[in-house]
Amino acid sequence: DAKTTQPPSMDCAEGRAANLPCNHSTISGNEYVYWYRQIHSQGPQYIIHGLKNNETNEMASLIITEDRKSSTLILPHATLRDTAVYYCIVRGSLNNAGNMLTFGGGTRLMVKP
Amino acid sequence: SQTIHQWPATLVQPVGSPLSLECTVEGTSNPNLYWYRQAAGRGLQLLFYSIGIDQISSEVPQNLSASRPQDRQFILSSKKLLLSDSGFYLCAWSVGRDETQYFGPGTRLLVL
Repeated sequence: DAKTTQPPSMDCAEGRAANLPCNHSTISGNEYVYWYRQIHSQGPQYIIHGLKNNETNEMASLIITEDRKSSTLILPHATLRDTAVYYCIVRGSLNNAGNMLTFGGGTRLMVKP
Repeated sequence: SQTIHQWPATLVQPVGSPLSLECTVEGTSNPNLYWYRQAAGRGLQLLFYSIGIDQISSEVPQNLSASRPQDRQFILSSKKLLLSDSGFYLCAWSVGRDETQYFGPGTRLLVL
């Protein structure tokens, strides 16, 4: 599976955009980039995923570079409730028995008033 | 809409005791099901996954086992718990070609 590299922590002011970077230089052509977040003591929450094109939903935007070696998750107007650990994941390729997600250390985002 | 349940929410067990954690999914059929473990302050580790009833694949050799007696029920078990089994256990589901996995609320296990 391709691996990802994320900064261990970031701060963001409330109301400002939070830009979380992720490097995945060994990603394969058919592998998606997924983002999850985990608020303390809760299960991970799916945010967004993409393959090549930029994606946007009600939670966030995902910007993937043209060479697909890195991506950025953007929370356009961070709130205190967005404080969490954000995981960037490259989905493991399918095999006959299913697929898997490999979670690394993530980025601990602290949104401050 | 689909929902996923896990219980118990928290559990304190002595070393050497048995374990049974249950996960159920509602609102979908033939889901892929997963068990993950998260040690304190660390990322998630995939333990087991299942694409159907009685079809279980193990990712990490250990004293845990998993079973899927029904389509939407996934059980994590142990005959004798170790201290190292302490952690946050998460169940997840996905459907078909949609690779997105959705996680349950988790069970926090403390082995003393």
